[in-house]
Amino acid sequence: EAEVAQSPRYKITEKSQAVAFWCDPISGHATLYWYRQILGQGPELLVQFQDESVVDDSQLPKDRFSAERLKGVDSTLKIQPAELGDSAMYLCASSPSSGGLTDTQYFGPGTRLTVL
Amino acid sequence: GENVEQHPSTLSVQEGDSAVIKCTYSDSASNYFPWYKQELGKGPQLIIDIRSNVGEKKDQRIAVTLNKTAKHFSLHITETQPEDSAVYFCAAWVFSGTYKYIFGTGTRLKVLA
Repeated sequence: EAEVAQSPRYKITEKSQAVAFWCDPISGHATLYWYRQILGQGPELLVQFQDESVVDDSQLPKDRFSAERLKGVDSTLKIQPAELGDSAMYLCASSPSSGGLTDTQYFGPGTRLTVL
Repeated sequence: GENVEQHPSTLSVQEGDSAVIKCTYSDSASNYFPWYKQELGKGPQLIIDIRSNVGEKKDQRIAVTLNKTAKHFSLHITETQPEDSAVYFCAAWVFSGTYKYIFGTGTRLKVLA
């Protein structure tokens, strides 16, 4: 069964350092999402890509966060500099079509970030 | 507003009993309603979903019911087992400037052996 891959699974960093997370969606999935999940809460969307284009990054803190999906396949999310409040689970998801209102999103295992 | 409300936040049941979790949504245009199970340290896993052209869908011990008039949908787990213990999230596409996949606040289910 095809799965969304993410790495690393865990990341510990000190504040002010840069961190990067990688996601490889299910093969053929056009839409890719990055979510942040704070412990005890539901996932919240950071950025949505349709192929290589950003569709929605309204909730992405652009002063420190950046995301790219250069070839429309895998994606990288970067935080620079990391702050204590960035400690969370970062989830990647993908869906097969254009992110329409009946699309199913499939999630990867996530990257647990701890900022010290 | 654009929230998806989920209740209860915690639920404890005896093994073999049934569990029901309910979500309400605000956007009448929403027509796709998934349920995810999230175990500790893992990503959410889709367990069942329903589209608005049907009122109920079953998959073995899991079912989802949808009431579009009242704008709520529910997850039903029958004959619960200890491995059903996890956090469950509902989600719905809700309009907030653009359409966004909004998750409920989660229900921590504990199945007591």
